[in-house]
Amino acid sequence: EVQLVESGGGLVQPGGSLRLSCAASGFTFSNYWMHWVRQAPGKGLVWVSRINSDGSSTSYADSVRGRFTISRDNAKNTLYMQMNSLRAEDTAVFYCAREGDYGDFPLDFWGRGTLVTVSS
Amino acid sequence: DIVMTQSPLSLPVTPGEPASISCRSSQSLLHTNRYNYLDWYLQKPGQSPQLLIYLGSSRASGVPDRFSGSGSGTDFTLRISRVEAEDVGVYYCMQTLQTPLTFGGGTKVEVK
Repeated sequence: EVQLVESGGGLVQPGGSLRLSCAASGFTFSNYWMHWVRQAPGKGLVWVSRINSDGSSTSYADSVRGRFTISRDNAKNTLYMQMNSLRAEDTAVFYCAREGDYGDFPLDFWGRGTLVTVSS
Repeated sequence: DIVMTQSPLSLPVTPGEPASISCRSSQSLLHTNRYNYLDWYLQKPGQSPQLLIYLGSSRASGVPDRFSGSGSGTDFTLRISRVEAEDVGVYYCMQTLQTPLTFGGGTKVEVK
C-alpha cells in the first residue's frame, strides 16, 4: 500500500525557516517524480514544487522560487521542502504527492498533509 | 501560466440525481500526443485530495463508474451519473500540460 506521511509543520515567525519531510513507503520511491501542493485555510489547492526521480531537476511556483528548496533522499525514501524567509501568506497545509508514471502524469497518491502557520 | 476556471462554485445535489461540473482552461490542454492533460480530483471533508480522472476521461483505479470525464482542448466536464452521499466534497480540475501545474478554484458539492 502506497503511503506518504508528511511531518515538520508547525508555528514559525515571519522570516523564519522550516523543513518539511515526506516519508514514502509501499512503492519504489526512487522511480517516481514527487510534488508539494499547499492549501491555505479554507482555500483551494496550489501547486508549489516538483522534483524528478533522481533529484537532478526541480521546478517551483513563482511565489516560492528563491525561498523554498525541494530535495529528496532516495536512500531514505524521503522528500523534503526547505522553506526560508517565510511569510504570513505561506500559512497552509502542505501535501506531498506522487506523480504517476502513466497518462498525463497525474498526482495519484497524496499524503494527509502537515500544517505550517506563519505568525508572530 | 494556464488559468483554470470551474463552474459552478457550489452545487447542491439530490442523491440519485445526476450532476455535472465544468472546467475551462485559458489555453488548449491538448498535448502533441493528442491526449488532453486534464485531471479531476475530489477532496472529501477533512481529507486529502484523491485522483478521480486523468487524461480528461480515464477513471483512476478504484473510482466508481458513475464518474465520467469528457471534453477536449479548453472545455471539460466531470459528470456524476447518480450522486451518492459519499460524493460530497470539493472537486478540482488540474492541468498537467505545463508547469506551473494549475488547479481550478474548486466546486463544492453538497447534498440538498
